[in-house]
Amino acid sequence: DTGVSQDPRHKITKRGQNVTFRCDPISEHNRLYWYRQTLGQGPEFLTYFQNEAQLEKSRLLSDRFSAERPKGSFSTLEIQRTEQGDSAMYLCASSPGTPREQYFGPGTRLTVT
Amino acid sequence: AQKITQTQPGMFVQEKEAVTLDCTYDTSDPSYGLFWYKQPSSGEMIFLIYQGSYDQQNATEGRYSLNFQKARKSANLVISASQLGDSAMYFCAMRGRTGNQFYFGTGTSLTVIP
Repeated sequence: DTGVSQDPRHKITKRGQNVTFRCDPISEHNRLYWYRQTLGQGPEFLTYFQNEAQLEKSRLLSDRFSAERPKGSFSTLEIQRTEQGDSAMYLCASSPGTPREQYFGPGTRLTVT
Repeated sequence: AQKITQTQPGMFVQEKEAVTLDCTYDTSDPSYGLFWYKQPSSGEMIFLIYQGSYDQQNATEGRYSLNFQKARKSANLVISASQLGDSAMYFCAMRGRTGNQFYFGTGTSLTVIP
C-alpha cells in the first residue's frame, strides 16, 4: 500500500515536553497539508506545503508549532512546550498538482497529560 | 471568508433507503471545489466525491451523488441504498481557488438501522 503514512500513531506526553510527528505523503504528490481534529469537530487546517515551500499557515499555528518539508518529500510537525489544549488528532493529507481530492493518512493521536 | 455549514449533527436511515446529508458553503472565490469525506470510527478520512464549481453536471460515484445547487450555495450528499457499513461521520469540505486551504464542516453522524 502506497498511501499516506504517519508516525507515530499515538503519542502520550507530559505538558511542557516537545513532540514531533512525521508524515510521508504519496510519492508523486507535491502538495501536503496538516490538520488538527478535536473530538466532535471537523479537521482544522494548520499548514500547507507545495514541494518544500510552506505556502500557507493558519493563525491556529502558534509560535510553538513548526512544520518542515525538506526536499519536498516527507514532512514533520513539531509542537514545543505542549499544553493540554494540544491534545487532538493530527492529520496529514497529500494531493497531486491539480488540487482535487486529498488523501489522508491515519493520523497521530496526541494526548498531553 | 470561507465557511462550510453542516446543520445535521446526527441522522438515522433505514438500511436500503436513501439519505441526504446537507451542506451549505460560503465563499467569494469564483472557482472552488466541494468534497465529501467519510470518517468511520477507526478514524481514517475516506474521500467520497468531488464537485468543481464550474462542473455542469452533478457528480456521482457509485451510490454517492452530490446535489450541487450553486445559486443556493449548497452541496448535499445523497447516499442511495444505505448499507450498515455507511454508518460513520460525514464531512463536507471546500477548496478555495488556490487549493492552498481546505475548509471542513463540523460533520454529520449517520447511523444506518438494520
